Amino acid sequence: AQKITQTQPGMFVQEKEAVTLDCTYDTSDPSYGLFWYKQPSSGEMIFLIYQGSYDQQNATEGRYSLNFQKARKSANLVISASQLGDSAMYFCAMRDQSTGTASKLTFGTGTRLQVTL
Amino acid sequence: DGGITQSPKYLFRKEGQNVTLSCEQNLNHDAMYWYRQDPGQGLRLIYYSQIVNDFQKGDIAEGYSVSREKKESFPLTVTSAQKNPTAFYLCASSPGQALMNTEAFFGQGTRLTVV
Repeated sequence: AQKITQTQPGMFVQEKEAVTLDCTYDTSDPSYGLFWYKQPSSGEMIFLIYQGSYDQQNATEGRYSLNFQKARKSANLVISASQLGDSAMYFCAMRDQSTGTASKLTFGTGTRLQVTL
Repeated sequence: DGGITQSPKYLFRKEGQNVTLSCEQNLNHDAMYWYRQDPGQGLRLIYYSQIVNDFQKGDIAEGYSVSREKKESFPLTVTSAQKNPTAFYLCASSPGQALMNTEAFFGQGTRLTVV
């Protein structure tokens, strides 16, 4: 069964607007970590933000924030004040203990974000 | 500068040939990973290693092999048994063996084309 689901293959947003990229996950472990990465057209993966399953507050990093709804198993990325440089693929990823170790890191299929003028 | 180096950036091989992709890190990380990315697709885990001389299959290990003889190095061999090897390959590492909150650091990737 797929553990990370990103249902939006592509999204458009106007410059200076906010956008939400969806991510749902599936795990039976009480302890897990959720990550978001950005992949520009050059191909490198850039870490954006982390949310732990026991964190009481939603994570924030500059213009990035995570809308973490534990009961719904969702961890949506919110980008505020979009910039042209935000155009990229965005991936949600998770670590859990299902393999007996937290080493395995599983990614979703990604959302391509295009910021327009 | 600390980081992960993948080489080469572009690689062309004839069908039926084995090819080895290099991944070296100087971050002193215990865990290392290989992912495959097809155009417009997500990252799929091929193999990962938590410690030297140990590695586990990921979700799509068939047709691939790895070794972890040194902490810094985690080469990936794409064998002739891999039916569709043309893809973008990403190597990553992360500190510690079982730290839930540690992100993975990625190399620049190797684009493999089999003709």
